[in-house]
Amino acid sequence: DSGVTQTPKHLITATGQRVTLRCSPRSGDLSVYWYQQSLDQGLQFLIQYYNGEERAKGNILERFSAQQFPDLHSELNLSSLELGDSALYFCASSVATQGYYGYTFGSGTRLTVV
Amino acid sequence: DAKTTQPNSMESNEEEPVHLPCNHSTISGTDYIHWYRQLPSQGPEYVIHGLTSNVNNRMASLAIAEDRKSSTLILHRATLRDAAVYYCILRDVKGTSGTYKYIFGTGTRLKVLA
Repeated sequence: DSGVTQTPKHLITATGQRVTLRCSPRSGDLSVYWYQQSLDQGLQFLIQYYNGEERAKGNILERFSAQQFPDLHSELNLSSLELGDSALYFCASSVATQGYYGYTFGSGTRLTVV
Repeated sequence: DAKTTQPNSMESNEEEPVHLPCNHSTISGTDYIHWYRQLPSQGPEYVIHGLTSNVNNRMASLAIAEDRKSSTLILHRATLRDAAVYYCILRDVKGTSGTYKYIFGTGTRLKVLA
């Protein structure tokens, strides 16, 4: 157990639907990062939050949004789902945004859009 | 973001050392070199990081070239459990406005032969 908890582990939904993925960071970590991993694209950075504030954005689609709550857990919302959104979604956390602090990744949520 | 280049795949025999190379010719003076690995069906996990000097930990060693344009991750005795995708990533220790994120490349898929 890495200390980063992601739920659900698996999710199957239909095209056009909306889902919410949840991440609880490791205790004491203030930064949360979301990554998408599809078969043909590797790990793609989506977005970062630090202590409730958005800090960096990657290749995140407008149909996707995220937030980090006061208790530091984060949610990634995916709407108007398409078949191509099927992927593994990973959350990672770290103590801070700067420095050489490594990331701790969760075990991911596997999203299948049918 | 500074880029890294790694071979797509490598093979090693069990119980033998493995040297995983990474080129990062555009590295800047403040970039740390980080290595992560991703075991099948799991999130990436931290392996090791370094700035200028060679580094050792319980998992591996990191050898950094004097000009820092390349580095090598060394697994001293590969086991079947080391079969994974290994990612070499550069991280700016300062960042801007306290933001930074890892940009993962395609990594090296290590196959360990029994």
